[in-house]
Amino acid sequence: ELKVEQNPLFLSMQEGKNYTIYCNYSTTSDRLYWYRQDPGKSLESLFVLLSNGAVKQEGRLMASLDTKARLSTLHITAAVHDLSATYFCAVDEYGNKLVFGAGTILRVKS
Amino acid sequence: GAGVSQSPSNKVTEKGKDVELRCDPISGHTALYWYRQSLGQGLEFLIYFQGNSAPDKSGLPSDRFSAERTGGSVSTLTIQRTQQEDSAVYLCASSSDSGLAAYNEQFFGPGTRLTVL
Repeated sequence: ELKVEQNPLFLSMQEGKNYTIYCNYSTTSDRLYWYRQDPGKSLESLFVLLSNGAVKQEGRLMASLDTKARLSTLHITAAVHDLSATYFCAVDEYGNKLVFGAGTILRVKS
Repeated sequence: GAGVSQSPSNKVTEKGKDVELRCDPISGHTALYWYRQSLGQGLEFLIYFQGNSAPDKSGLPSDRFSAERTGGSVSTLTIQRTQQEDSAVYLCASSSDSGLAAYNEQFFGPGTRLTVL
C-alpha cells in the first residue's frame, strides 16, 4: 500500500525566511504533485513532477523530485504572508488515483 | 465549463437520509475522480471513472456509497442512509487522460461540504 508522509505538519515562518517541506513516499513512482489549499477552498495545482531530478519553480516556490530516494521537496524562499495556506503532496498510484500526504499548514508571520 | 463544478456547495442532512452530490468535470476530460476530505482522515480517494465506467471503486467506504457517470460527463455520488461519520467535504476532480503512460494532472472542484446531524 502506498503511503505518503509529509513533514512538518505545521510550519510557522517569519516573513523573509526560507524553509523546506518534505514529502516521502513508499513505492516507486515518478509522478508527484504539489497542491495548495486556502481555508474553505479547493485544491489548486502548483507543480507536476514527472521524472527523477525534475525541478519546477514558480515565484518563491521551488519543487524537486528524487525518485531514487522517494523524496520530493517544496522549498519556500523569502516567505511572504500570501503564501500562508495548506500544502499537500500527492503521488500518482497506477495512474488512476492520487494518494495524498497529510498536508503542511504554513503560516507566515510578519 | 472553465473548471470543475460541484453542487450543492453545502448540504445539511439528518442521519438516515440519502444524499446526492453532483460533479460536472472540465469539458473533454475523460477521467473523473471523487475524494473525501475530513479532519480525521485527510484526503481520501473514493472512486475513479474513465468515461462512464469505474475501474477503481476501492476507496468507497461502504456499500452505502455509490457513484455513476453518464454521457462521459456529469457524475453523481450517492450516499444512502447517511451517518454522522459521513460528514466531510467531498471533492471531485477531472483530468484529460489517465493511465500509466499519461500525464495525470487532476483539477479539483470547489467541493460539497456535507454535514450529517
